[in-house]
Amino acid sequence: NAGVMQNPRHLVRRRGQEARLRCSPMKGHSHVYWYRQLPEEGLKFMVYLQKENIIDESGMPKERFSAEFPKEGPSILRIQQVVRGDSAAYFCASSDHLETQYFGPGTRLLVL
Amino acid sequence: SQKIEQNSEALNIQEGKTATLTCNYTNYSPAYLQWYRQDPGRGPVFLLLIRENEKEKRKERLKVTFDTTLKQSLFHITASQPADSATYLCALRVDGGSQGNLIFGKGTKLSVKP
Repeated sequence: NAGVMQNPRHLVRRRGQEARLRCSPMKGHSHVYWYRQLPEEGLKFMVYLQKENIIDESGMPKERFSAEFPKEGPSILRIQQVVRGDSAAYFCASSDHLETQYFGPGTRLLVL
Repeated sequence: SQKIEQNSEALNIQEGKTATLTCNYTNYSPAYLQWYRQDPGRGPVFLLLIRENEKEKRKERLKVTFDTTLKQSLFHITASQPADSATYLCALRVDGGSQGNLIFGKGTKLSVKP
């Protein structure tokens, strides 16, 4: 049973470009969460999705950031017009209920 | 405001000793608390979950306690090994909060010396 998969593992973007991060949850999991981890900081919740629905986006910046979890395919975290402060590790987690979350390996975004 | 604190950023111990990590929280009423392990360049790995009505939970060399009066959880690794070296994170889900929204501490980096 494959774990949570994220791609790309590393992403380099120049300021102003768009970043798309993908997350495939564990098989059978219908809950997906995105977290951001800055250097020397803890994991910060961004958004919680179920299939085709955003349940909680209270941790996501209001501008430039969006997330989706379509009926088919992976969940996507999209960052438009990236700035240097967006450089971080972005982790996706999935669960089949509301307790234990299983994390992917993360995508490390570097904005030049 | 709500806060989660892990008592130290780093903890160095000798192989074979028991490592004890602390997680304190304020202004929360958590339904349960979880501990994760994170290795450099990797995602967190779930270790243990303890509910508000449980005092203690064990798994192999790991033990977690949860004191809702003190608002504190202790995480113990007995007979520690160099392979236990990692960052350990505590996380809470809050009753009434977003379903599934976990709040994480910054972590304690454990180094076990041979």
